[in-house]
Amino acid sequence: EVQLVQSGAEVKKPGESLKISCKGSGYSFTSYWIGWVRQMPGKGLEWMGIIYPGDSDTRYSPSFQGQVTISADKSISTAYLQWSSLKASDTAMYYCARRGDGYNLGYWGQGTLVTVSS
Amino acid sequence: QPVLTQSSSASASLGSSVKLTCTLSSGHSSYIIAWHQQQPGKAPRYLMKLEGSGSYNRGSGVPDRFSGSSSGADRYLTISNLQSEDEADYYCETWDSNTYVFGTGTKVSVL
Repeated sequence: EVQLVQSGAEVKKPGESLKISCKGSGYSFTSYWIGWVRQMPGKGLEWMGIIYPGDSDTRYSPSFQGQVTISADKSISTAYLQWSSLKASDTAMYYCARRGDGYNLGYWGQGTLVTVSS
Repeated sequence: QPVLTQSSSASASLGSSVKLTCTLSSGHSSYIIAWHQQQPGKAPRYLMKLEGSGSYNRGSGVPDRFSGSSSGADRYLTISNLQSEDEADYYCETWDSNTYVFGTGTKVSVL
């Protein structure tokens, strides 16, 4: 069974750094792209970017390019989303999602709530 | 880059059917899409992949009350025999060269 398990909720101050994680299991981690999706409070889903853990090929949405960094450690089957300097506007739920057998996103993590407040 | 347009809300009575629409932008009418359901307070759940021909594949464990169809640039999700647990937000998704886009979502209310 494919599972994506994300790290727990975070409360941070503006300007702090953060790295959240998404651990994949039940499949060959290096063979499927994993993406990140933001959902701000009361809003819809926004695609942020995607990584292929096999070779770390990464693509970003223009809206998020330069704002976040997506990475993966295939030795521990884990993808990451990180910020170097958080802003209050980064407060949101973040989901990881793996491509299905086609190109669509077919599996979702449970989400990580990030709260940025002074 | 394709754009997906969804109506903001839909409602129907318990046990009836509701049909949601996701419209692809000009020049992208042949694209395959996926439908996802997000129940209140939960993570999204993949429902199905839907081709321009109308052929669709439901995800594992998705009830056959959920079906898909297509007409031109429009992609539809029909929920039959509506249940209370179907009250949720529904998002369509598509992709182009490993970049992805979501529709704005349709909130379904069960009366």
